Amino acid sequence: QQPVQSPQAVILREGEDAVINCSSSKALYSVHWYRQKHGEAPVFLMILLKGGEQKGHEKISASFNEKKQQSSLYLTASQLSYSGTYFCGTASPNTGNQFYFGTGTSLTVIP
Amino acid sequence: DTEVTQTPKHLVMGMTNKKSLKCEQHMGHRAMYWYKQKAKKPPELMFVYSYEKLSINESVPSRFSPECPNSSLLNLHLHALQPEDSALYLCASSQVQYSGNTIYFGEGSWLTVV
Repeated sequence: QQPVQSPQAVILREGEDAVINCSSSKALYSVHWYRQKHGEAPVFLMILLKGGEQKGHEKISASFNEKKQQSSLYLTASQLSYSGTYFCGTASPNTGNQFYFGTGTSLTVIP
Repeated sequence: DTEVTQTPKHLVMGMTNKKSLKCEQHMGHRAMYWYKQKAKKPPELMFVYSYEKLSINESVPSRFSPECPNSSLLNLHLHALQPEDSALYLCASSQVQYSGNTIYFGEGSWLTVV
């Protein structure tokens, strides 16, 4: 039930772009993206619903491919504050629309 | 006010103790959740309450006992825990138990079982 994220870890320099992928073995209804800094709770970034609706921030965008059961998070012109662990979360009609977190991607932005 | 408040922030308890974690939200949300997170792992769903009724129990051991006294409060009662239960416990809420809603998390309660 747990979606798989790639890469597991990535190191960027300030200003570089990054893509984080999330893949599920089950049909998806929605994909959520969260960022968690060490010692803190996950913070909501974005939600994508089946049908293409998208919400979120300006420099952080995401895509959702329902057929491939995949989502990607795009971080543009990364800043030091982007560092943290990124989790996707997915809900599938096959699991009663319950929400499960992905495996996580550790992102570190260095000066 | 998009806030989920959890208390205490830190708790150390012995294996024979009984303690409780508390969670409160005033956003009018009717779905509330407990997650458990170990270091460097994603949060794992434990329980879901929908309209104050237990909706999901992810095969959690009975030493964890959830309670939802009203639509704003969620408790997690702890009894006879094991050291491996030490973790960050996250409470969350959403408008309803529906996959299209944003799920808001509290700051978590760090639990250490000695």
